[in-house]
Amino acid sequence: ILNVEQSPQSLHVQEGDSTNFTCSFPSSNFYALHWYRWETAKSPEALFVMTLNGDEKKKGRISATLNTKEGYSYLYIKGSQPEDSATYLCALGVQGAQKLVFGQGTRLTINP
Amino acid sequence: NAGVTQTPKFRILKIGQSMTLQCTQDMNHNYMYWYRQDPGMGLKLIYYSVGAGITDKGEVPNGYNVSRSTTEDFPLRLELAAPSQTSVYFCASSYVQRQETQYFGPGTRLLVL
Repeated sequence: ILNVEQSPQSLHVQEGDSTNFTCSFPSSNFYALHWYRWETAKSPEALFVMTLNGDEKKKGRISATLNTKEGYSYLYIKGSQPEDSATYLCALGVQGAQKLVFGQGTRLTINP
Repeated sequence: NAGVTQTPKFRILKIGQSMTLQCTQDMNHNYMYWYRQDPGMGLKLIYYSVGAGITDKGEVPNGYNVSRSTTEDFPLRLELAAPSQTSVYFCASSYVQRQETQYFGPGTRLLVL
């Protein structure tokens, strides 16, 4: 059974501060690592898909990095804003599997 | 494109009742998925389908059934509703290649009393 771990489970950050959180996964048979943003009462929306070791993706103030050899990905948010409050999910795609394995999510709250 | 649509948005069921949650996508995606969101537990995969006529169990299939007679539709059936099935249900779909980005529907909130 594949285990995708996200830490921390929840995080409170002051508006304007930068923050980051982690997704850890087994590195064997890696295929792809996804990040989703999930606002309360809405459905998850895709942020990034990364497939290569050393990949870096950026979307506005949000960026992500990938290390497939050691099995982790970081998500960074620069200058947090209240609209960044959401749960951030990572999901692992593995060679030979036909579905993604989701982590439990990091719930981010930005305090004004 | 409407993307992934789900009906109903909200439903209250009595214990033992049955219902079907509808999911339709208009993106010609082969892969479709049903998840449930449990508080503090993220998303759990119930069933998935890699194409019309093909379905397979996910992590938590007990108490549910699915069918996939067309590419567009992937209904989820609850035969004998139980309080443990109170949850928010999300349908998702993705392109032909496996493990591509999944596009989620708006969710169905189900309360079993």
